[in-house]
Amino acid sequence: SQTIHQWPATLVQPVGSPLSLECTVEGTSNPNLYWYRQAAGRGLQLLFYSVGIGQISSEVPQNLSASRPQDRQFILSSKKLLLSDSGFYLCAWQSGPNSPLHFGNGTRLTVT
Amino acid sequence: DQQVKQNSPSLSVQEGRISILNCDYTNSMFDYFLWYKKYPAEGPTFLISISSIKDKNEDGRFTVFLNKSAKHLSLHIVPSQPGDSAVYFCAASEEGSQGNLIFGKGTKLSVKP
Repeated sequence: SQTIHQWPATLVQPVGSPLSLECTVEGTSNPNLYWYRQAAGRGLQLLFYSVGIGQISSEVPQNLSASRPQDRQFILSSKKLLLSDSGFYLCAWQSGPNSPLHFGNGTRLTVT
Repeated sequence: DQQVKQNSPSLSVQEGRISILNCDYTNSMFDYFLWYKKYPAEGPTFLISISSIKDKNEDGRFTVFLNKSAKHLSLHIVPSQPGDSAVYFCAASEEGSQGNLIFGKGTKLSVKP
């Protein structure tokens, strides 16, 4: 069966520090991969998605970037964190269009 | 501009009764709709979906209804159980998109024993 791993579960970082969040998927090949963010009191906002290795699409301009160095690995990064980057970051995989997204357990990021 | 709207931030229901969660959308190109359930500090869990060629889909205690003309969908939970207490998100994807989902802001359901 397919599983998705996301780490770390919680992270506290100072403003201006770099960020790297990692997500890996097991049990499937060539999944669509997603990064979403849930800010306090808000819904889930799509940040990035990828349909293949090295293919990244960004939905909103921001201080973050994403990379997909391997088929089942998706990384969310920042060179310098802002206070507004605080939130709950969720990675998800999908087998293809018109199929559900399956989410990891998320990373709670607090930028101080 | 919110394309998927859940206008009720919270809902309280007695155990054993029906819970009805509502969702409205504005984009007529949406053709696939889903409901997710989320507990605190966890990722959302997929519950049920419906494509635009149907108006109803049922899975156990969960039924999703789609009214395309009104651009409205709803999730019915019958009977409601205390373990159903969570935040429920409605989501939709657009025909021709890569499949990425647009989410509503969620409705917090509390089922009281």
